[in-house]
Amino acid sequence: SAVISQKPSRDICQRGTSLTIQCQVDSQVTMMFWYRQQPGQSLTLIATANQGSEATYESGFVIDKFPISRPNLTFSTLTVSNMSPEDSSIYLCSVEKAWEAFFGQGTRLTVV
Amino acid sequence: AQKITQTQPGMFVQEKEAVTLDCTYDTSDPSYGLFWYKQPSSGEMIFLIYQGSYDQQNATEGRYSLNFQKARKSANLVISASQLGDSAMYFCAMREGKDNYGQNFVFGPGTRLSVLP
Repeated sequence: SAVISQKPSRDICQRGTSLTIQCQVDSQVTMMFWYRQQPGQSLTLIATANQGSEATYESGFVIDKFPISRPNLTFSTLTVSNMSPEDSSIYLCSVEKAWEAFFGQGTRLTVV
Repeated sequence: AQKITQTQPGMFVQEKEAVTLDCTYDTSDPSYGLFWYKQPSSGEMIFLIYQGSYDQQNATEGRYSLNFQKARKSANLVISASQLGDSAMYFCAMREGKDNYGQNFVFGPGTRLSVLP
């Protein structure tokens, strides 16, 4: 299994500002994944973060808006840049072990 | 096309009763896995149960069982003896391609379960 510590758990931010979400895993993993869950919706994959290379973004998500860092095999950050109320969502990081996905506790972001 | 369909946006069940949450999926990959996750209001995603496409028997985990009907491409979650703490969103998910790296998880739209006292 994998234990993932994600922070902050929630935040209320002003529009136009940026928020960086951190994810720490208790073991080394090749890839880490970032999801967005808009209110009342399912999970949508934002990007896949590999250590030592640029993240791979899904359609509809761009690096300028959601820059990702992956400095080592146990840590990653996602930044939500120049926020607008439409960015209000739960953001989750995830890793995969033995074919199962493990998730952080999620970051509930509200942009006002 | 939707790969995961959950036709019940909301369900109610009486405490101590059993409930079935529906999930149908679409894939042409012979190797895949089906998962159910629970998301309480706190937002975390809690793994409940897994069924592999080659598994002969239906998966069970405590009060959770998965009714896997491969020919119909359905993977319904059955929760027995519902408890108030079971009230949450439930997501069915599929991962295709056992030998592929990368998270090819696809999540359904979810079912909100409310357990009534």
